[in-house]
Amino acid sequence: KAGVTQTPRYLIKTRGQQVTLSCSPISGHRSVSWYQQTPGQGLQFLFEYFSETQRNKGNFPGRFSGRQFSNSRSEMNVSTLELGDSALYLCASSLVSGDQPQHFGDGTRLSIL
Amino acid sequence: EDQVTQSPEALRLQEGESSSLNCSYTVSGLRGLFWYRQDPGKGPEFLFTLYSAGEEKEKERLKATLTKKESFLHITAPKPEDSATYLCAVQGDNAGNMLTFGGGTRLMVKP
Repeated sequence: KAGVTQTPRYLIKTRGQQVTLSCSPISGHRSVSWYQQTPGQGLQFLFEYFSETQRNKGNFPGRFSGRQFSNSRSEMNVSTLELGDSALYLCASSLVSGDQPQHFGDGTRLSIL
Repeated sequence: EDQVTQSPEALRLQEGESSSLNCSYTVSGLRGLFWYRQDPGKGPEFLFTLYSAGEEKEKERLKATLTKKESFLHITAPKPEDSATYLCAVQGDNAGNMLTFGGGTRLMVKP
């Protein structure tokens, strides 16, 4: 069956712009989590959505937000982009919140100029 | 706060040379410890989940073990295709779905 799908794969933006990333979970999975991966900080948890509700949030500023739709697809939005937001943004899905393991997509590579 | 430290940061092996990767962790109530493999340009690929001290899991040339403070990923007779970054993560009791990751070990296996 199809895995986690993230679009777009690559994105280039300039400082001050905003961006929306999309994630379609594995069919039947209802929990979606977002992570940021950078060379300096590694993989860091952003937030989790389950049944269209944010369940958990990591230590990121309010410029980072997300939402989940009734079909479990999720979007992540970053406003007022900064150079430090350049990263690989990964989405992971699981059947329900707290379920293990989480399965990851191949990410969206975001570059800020 | 949950913490995960992986060592070494990088490891170069000759094909067939067995070794182990270390993952040290502190967590308030372990719900699960996870090993993932990540290839360049790809997302992490799930390998193993370990739940309690003494547990072991095996898959081909890989074997994961767990103690109360550490996990080891043993690689027996590695092949060049085992070259990747190996990530360790923990999920704590109060963390919901949040995984706390270590920095990873970049493994290079030379033929």
